[in-house]
Parts: sequence; C-alpha cells; structure tokens
Amino acid sequence: GENVEQHPSTLSVQEGDSAVIKCTYSDSASNYFPWYKQELGKRPQLIIDIRSNVGEKKDQRIAVTLNKTAKHFSLHITETQPEDSAVYFCAATTNTGGFKTIFGAGTRLFVKA
Amino acid sequence: EAEVAQSPRYKITEKSQAVAFWCDPISGHATLYWYRQILGQGPELLVQFQDESVVDDSQLPKDRFSAERLKGVDSTLKIQPAELGDSAMYLCASSFGVDYGYTFGSGTRLTVV
Repeated sequence: GENVEQHPSTLSVQEGDSAVIKCTYSDSASNYFPWYKQELGKRPQLIIDIRSNVGEKKDQRIAVTLNKTAKHFSLHITETQPEDSAVYFCAATTNTGGFKTIFGAGTRLFVKA
Repeated sequence: EAEVAQSPRYKITEKSQAVAFWCDPISGHATLYWYRQILGQGPELLVQFQDESVVDDSQLPKDRFSAERLKGVDSTLKIQPAELGDSAMYLCASSFGVDYGYTFGSGTRLTVV
C-alpha cells in the first residue's frame, strides 16, 4: 500500500545551523505535501506545504523542495533557534482513486543553544 | 484565529466502558478527520468525513469504534467497549478539502485502565 518514509527519526543541531528532514513517498499520484510541527504536548500545526506543480517553496527560515521524479520532498530550516525544537511530520496526499493522506513517522528535532 | 474545538481534553475510563469524544470543526470546513496518535508516532487516520458522508473508514475498528457527523458540522467518535490498547491521543482535524492543510484540535488524551 501507500507509504511515506521519513528520515532521520532524530536530529540534533547547534543553534544557528541548518536542519534538513527528508521524506519519500510511494504513490506517484500524490499531489499535495504538507509539513506539520508538533511541540511537546501540543497539537500538530501546519508550517508549510507544497503542491506537485511546484518544485520549491520558501517561507522565511523554512523551505520545502519536491522532486517528483524521485518521489521525495524535504524540509529545510535555516538559522535554527531553540524554539524550532519539536517533532516534524511530513505527509503526502492523493486525491485520485480515493482521497488519502499518509503521514510520516516524524522527526524529533533538538536545537541546542 | 479560528480553532477546531475538541472535548474533553482528558479522559480516564475503565476497560469495557463506553467513551465518546466531540469535535467542532472550523466553520466552512467540509472535510473532517479523526486521527489516533500513539506517543512517539505519527497520526493514524481513523475516519474521514466529507460533509456528513464517510469518505474513508478503512482503519476504523468497526467492532468497537463508531463515528458520526449527522448534520455535516460537528462530529462524535465513540468507543464501546474501551480496551487497554485504545489509550492514545485522539485528534480531530478539519480542512477545506483533502488537498488542503489541516487544522488540528487540541486532542483528547484517553487513558484506559
């Protein structure tokens, strides 16, 4: 069945460094790729998303890139800050042959001050 | 900022008892989702509604779980009887459509003893 793999499961960076989280998806019909940030004890919140007709999207310190041929997409956080520490989930959505969103298992990001 | 309302925030119940969760999505969001999240894992879809109709309930344990969204607005998720393995965070989310980002509620943390 459809699957989204997310790596790494844990990532530790020094404040000010960049962090990259990668996801691969199996369903070539996937056309929408959101990223969610979940702080400890809180709800997941949408931080950025990208559609299949776009290769890259940026919002201040965060950016997402999509490679449809390789079926992978990545989250890039630059100039990391301690408040970026959280669990990040990627997801891939298909709306052909039935609507479905599959989440990755999550990446726990630690930003050390 | 509009929010998805969920209640209760916390629920402790004994196994074999019935438990119910309520969700009120953002006004105008036709799509409503119930997810289960076990600590350290990504959200797992239980059921998805488009207006009052169930679009996907393939992962819902129908022998004990039921969900309804009678008027296409708020929704109730019920578990009867609860089992120890049902202990988890139950998240409700809503969106304009399946290929739009979700807004999650604060969730209900269920503990079955």
